[in-house]
Amino acid sequence: DVKVTQSSRYLVKRTGEKVFLECVQDMDHENMFWYRQDPGLGLRLIYFSYDVKMKEKGDIPEGYSVSREKKERFSLILESASTNQTSMYLCASTRGVRTLTSYEQYFGPGTRLTVT
Amino acid sequence: AQSVAQPEDQVNVAEGNPLTVKCTYSVSGNPYLFWYVQYPNRGLQFLLKYITGDNLVKGSYGFEAEFNKSQTSFHLKKPSALVSDSALYFCAVRDIGDFNKFYFGSGTKLNVKP
Repeated sequence: DVKVTQSSRYLVKRTGEKVFLECVQDMDHENMFWYRQDPGLGLRLIYFSYDVKMKEKGDIPEGYSVSREKKERFSLILESASTNQTSMYLCASTRGVRTLTSYEQYFGPGTRLTVT
Repeated sequence: AQSVAQPEDQVNVAEGNPLTVKCTYSVSGNPYLFWYVQYPNRGLQFLLKYITGDNLVKGSYGFEAEFNKSQTSFHLKKPSALVSDSALYFCAVRDIGDFNKFYFGSGTKLNVKP
C-alpha cells in the first residue's frame, strides 16, 4: 500500500521560530510537493521538487524554503514563522514519468500548524 | 492558462438520493483528470481518474465520473448517497504539456443528510 507520511499531525510554534515539516514517501516517486490549504482558498502550491536537490517555486513560496537531500524525503522550512503561516500543510508525491500505472498524486495526512 | 472550476461551494443531498458534484476544466490538449476526497483534518484521498479510454470511469466507494470533452466537464456522481460520503471533494487536472503541474478546483463540500 502506497504511503506518504508527515512528521506531525498538529504543531504549535511561536512567532519567529524556525519550523521544519518533514514528508516521506515510500513509492520511489520522483516528484514531491508542498501545499498549504486555507478555507476558501483551496490548495496552493508552495514548492515542488522533481528530483533530489532539484526544486521549483510554486505559487506562494515567500517565507518558505525546501530541502530534498534524498529521493524519499522532502522538507518544508519556515525560516521565521509568522501568524499568517498558520494553516494546514499537505505533502504529496507522484511519478514524474509517463507510466500508465500512476498519474495521480498521493497525499500525506497533513500537518495543522498554528503559529502564536 | 490551465484551470479547474468547481462552481458549487456546497452540495446538499438526502441519503439514498443520487449526487452530482460538478467540475469543468480548461486545458490545452487532452487532460488527465482526477477526483479526490478530504475528510476533516485529513489529507486528500484519491477517488478516481480519467486518463484515456472510456468516458465513464469508476472509482472507490461507488463513485464514478463522466468525462465530457465537448463540455470540458468531469462531474463526479454516485447513484445513492450515504451520510458517510459527507466530505470535501476536489477536482484536479494534470498538465500534459508540463507534467509536473497539477491544478486543483476550489473544492465542494458535500452534505448528505439522513
